[in-house]
Amino acid sequence: EVQLVESGGGLVQPGGSLRLSCGASGFTVSSNHMSWVRQAPGKGLEWVSVIHSGGSIYYADSVKGRFTISRDNSKNTLYLQMNSLRGEDTAVYYCAREAFDYSSSFFDFWGQGTLVTVSS
Amino acid sequence: SYVLTQPPSVSVAPGKTARITCGGNNIGSKSVHWYQQKPGQVPVLVIYYESDRPSGIPERFSGSNSGNTATLTISRVEAGDEADYYCQVWDSSSDHVVFGGGTTLTVL
Repeated sequence: EVQLVESGGGLVQPGGSLRLSCGASGFTVSSNHMSWVRQAPGKGLEWVSVIHSGGSIYYADSVKGRFTISRDNSKNTLYLQMNSLRGEDTAVYYCAREAFDYSSSFFDFWGQGTLVTVSS
Repeated sequence: SYVLTQPPSVSVAPGKTARITCGGNNIGSKSVHWYQQKPGQVPVLVIYYESDRPSGIPERFSGSNSGNTATLTISRVEAGDEADYYCQVWDSSSDHVVFGGGTTLTVL
């Protein structure tokens, strides 16, 4: 059974840092495209970042230069290092597995999400 | 960057048909996917590649895509279909995933 379990969320001050983890079971993280998607309170879904199975990495403009996506193949875990956090980064952060082919990409499995609150 | 536009809300009576649109420049040339998110829950994929349904999704859910508009159609709407619905595409020019702003479906 495919499972994704996020952790690492919490309260952090503006300008601070936080690292989110997403442990996977039932499949191999490194063989799949894996993304982070966030949702601010009462708002819609916003794609944040992806790491491809081949290692290519992409970021939304809103987080580029501040967030870093990575994975640990030995732990079958996805990470999101978040630096220089701002109030607008407050959101539930989901990790999600992408089903990808040459023409498109969609999310077939999602974690339960972890809440990040940026506030003084 | 590519933009997807959804109506903020759609209302429908039980048993009727709900249609949720997703507008984008020449979206008909892209593959569109749809998610359902009930309050306090994780998004669930309900339609992928315009009209395919994952296992467990009722046949009442269908999709279409042409020109500048993709549409999610829910037939014989039930109270349990009340949720936010999001369309999504992959923008090949930027390698970014793009979500629509979401539509709240209310069952009257």
